[in-house]
Amino acid sequence: DAKTTQPTSMDCAEGRAANLPCNHSTISGNEYVYWYRQIHSQGPQYIIHGLKNNETNEMASLIITEDRKSSTLILPHATLRDTAVYYCIVRVPLTGTASKLTFGTGTRLQVTL
Amino acid sequence: GAVVSQHPSWVICKSGTSVKIECRSLDFQATTMFWYRQFPKQSLMLMATSNEGSKATYEQGVEKDKFLINHASLTLSTLTVTSAHPEDSSFYICSASRPGGNYGYTFGSGTRLTVV
Repeated sequence: DAKTTQPTSMDCAEGRAANLPCNHSTISGNEYVYWYRQIHSQGPQYIIHGLKNNETNEMASLIITEDRKSSTLILPHATLRDTAVYYCIVRVPLTGTASKLTFGTGTRLQVTL
Repeated sequence: GAVVSQHPSWVICKSGTSVKIECRSLDFQATTMFWYRQFPKQSLMLMATSNEGSKATYEQGVEKDKFLINHASLTLSTLTVTSAHPEDSSFYICSASRPGGNYGYTFGSGTRLTVV
């Protein structure tokens, strides 16, 4: 399984962009990078995922380096409601139609006024 | 779309009793569901993978006789914590994936279990 490394915590001022880094230097060619977040005492929420191209949706942007050994999740205009633990996950392929997700320790993002 | 409902959201039970937690996919069929456990200030730990119509696959170190998983239909998986003890107190979360592979996985809202 490709492991990920994320900073333990980060702070961001409300209205500013939050850039959350993730290292996954042992990622395999067919593994995807997923980002989830977990607000306190809730289930994780899917944010975005990608293979090698940069991706953008209504929540965030995902920038993956050309060698795929790291990525950055960008929340363009952070709000207080974005305060959560953000998990960068590399999907482990399994036989069948689904792959399990293994969570690391994540980054605790604190958005402040 | 892709809503997963988990019930109950919290439960308190006495030591030695069993507790059942339900995980339902409301608007899609989930051939595979996953069960996680999370202790305070820790990350989610995968317990088992539940496949519709077949036996669950448990992660190393998870007691299959203690954590019974049943995935009898494409929209329902249940986790039963048998003979619960205080050390089983935790936050249990289920997740479901839609057939076809590469979709974002949807998580339930979690169940806070307290064993007294």
